[in-house]
Amino acid sequence: KNEVEQSPQNLTAQEGEFITINCSYSVGISALHWLQQHPGGGIVSLFMLSSGKKKHGRLIATINIQEKHSSLHITASHPRDSAVYICAVSARSQGNLIFGKGTKLSVKP
Amino acid sequence: GAGVSQSPSNKVTEKGKDVELRCDPISGHTALYWYRQSLGQGLEFLIYFQGNSAPDKSGLPSDRFSAERTGGSVSTLTIQRTQQEDSAVYLCASSLSGRNTEAFFGQGTRLTVV
Repeated sequence: KNEVEQSPQNLTAQEGEFITINCSYSVGISALHWLQQHPGGGIVSLFMLSSGKKKHGRLIATINIQEKHSSLHITASHPRDSAVYICAVSARSQGNLIFGKGTKLSVKP
Repeated sequence: GAGVSQSPSNKVTEKGKDVELRCDPISGHTALYWYRQSLGQGLEFLIYFQGNSAPDKSGLPSDRFSAERTGGSVSTLTIQRTQQEDSAVYLCASSLSGRNTEAFFGQGTRLTVV
C-alpha cells in the first residue's frame, strides 16, 4: 500500500463545477503539500499546510490530522484548471517529500 | 533568475553513455532535492541535500547514479552507463530550510536513452 493515496485518479468536470480531490496518508507528517503539474510543464506548489484550511483564489485546501486526510477543492472550475494535482507529504522521519500518484483533472468548456 | 533552473531541458543519449544533469536552486535555499518522473508514473525521490549535512541518498536506484552539491548551491546529478529504463523527467526542487518549508520545482530535464 502506498504511503500517500489520492482519489480519484482521473476526473472530468464541466466548466463551473465544484471539484474535490482527496488525499489520505499513512505516515506521521510535519506538513502536506498540494502541487499542480500542467501537461509538459513544471510543478507548482499550491499549498503547504499542517492544520486547518487554506484558501487561495478559487482553491481551498483542508487537512484533518487525526484522520490523516486532506482535500483540495476547486470552486467554479475552468478549463485552465486542467492539470495533474499531486498530494505530497513531508514525513516526520524523512527530509524528502512522499508523493501520491496524482489526479488528472480535465475541465470541459 | 528567481526560480530553480535546470539544464539541459532535454537530453537524448545513447545507451551506455554517461550524462550530467544540472540544477541551480533558488539563492539562499539550503535544501535541494532530486526526483524522477517516469512516463505515466508518480514522482520518485532520488537524493536530498540539506545544508552541510551528509546527503540522503536512499532513493538512488543503483550505483550508476550519483549527485553532488558544490558550495551549498549548484547540484549535478550524474548517471553512468545509461540504460533505457533511465529515460524519465528528472526534477530538481529547492526549499528554504527543508522539511516544513515550501518546495520550488525546476522545469525538469527530459532524458531519453536510445
